[in-house]
Amino acid sequence: DTEVTQTPKHLVMGMTNKKSLKCEQHMGHRAMYWYKQKAKKPPELMFVYSYEKLSINESVPSRFSPECPNSSLLNLHLHALQPEDSALYLCASSPFPGQLTDTQYFGPGTRLTVL
Amino acid sequence: AQTVTQSQPEMSVQEAETVTLSCTYDTSESDYYLFWYKQPPSRQMILVIRQEAYKQQNATENRFSVNFQKAAKSFSLKISDSQLGDAAMYFCAYKSGNQGGSEKLVFGKGMKLTVNP
Repeated sequence: DTEVTQTPKHLVMGMTNKKSLKCEQHMGHRAMYWYKQKAKKPPELMFVYSYEKLSINESVPSRFSPECPNSSLLNLHLHALQPEDSALYLCASSPFPGQLTDTQYFGPGTRLTVL
Repeated sequence: AQTVTQSQPEMSVQEAETVTLSCTYDTSESDYYLFWYKQPPSRQMILVIRQEAYKQQNATENRFSVNFQKAAKSFSLKISDSQLGDAAMYFCAYKSGNQGGSEKLVFGKGMKLTVNP
């Protein structure tokens, strides 16, 4: 298995809803990432889990809450989002966090719309 | 802080021809890693090619090759024999060799490539 999977593919939610995004990889990678991407823009890093510990939080609002239950699974819990949070949310994983040769591999993304 | 610049927001190429995408970066580090990622309209970001800064030999992956000029801090991507499936947003990215910053990718703004039949 050489891919990162994300569910759901699309999500529409109201500002009062609570929802979660899910990301899985079975490549034995030891780091997992959440990015937010607006149309025609590069991805913006949100969180990094390295060896199942949160290593980077890019000052993301608390309405986004990451969780890494194990080395293969990464969740992003969403609560009280704003319309400006509508975006493509990308998950990535990499095998050797902290090493120069480490390379990130991306999932297909979840298209989130906040009404 | 490192920066990555892709100065051309859009380019087009005829099918079967060759196109070169430019990327420059700014860093004071000597060890780093450079990447080109491709994101087709279907949206999944795909690794195209990568280059280690301490390797002088330019990386090549089938029809994709890079021209890495370390002194000039330039990392251009050449696509030979362009195919319709090459149409996508292309992002150049930099990764620090320093322990503290090596988990982050610094992306350029991206360039939209159109392939004309």
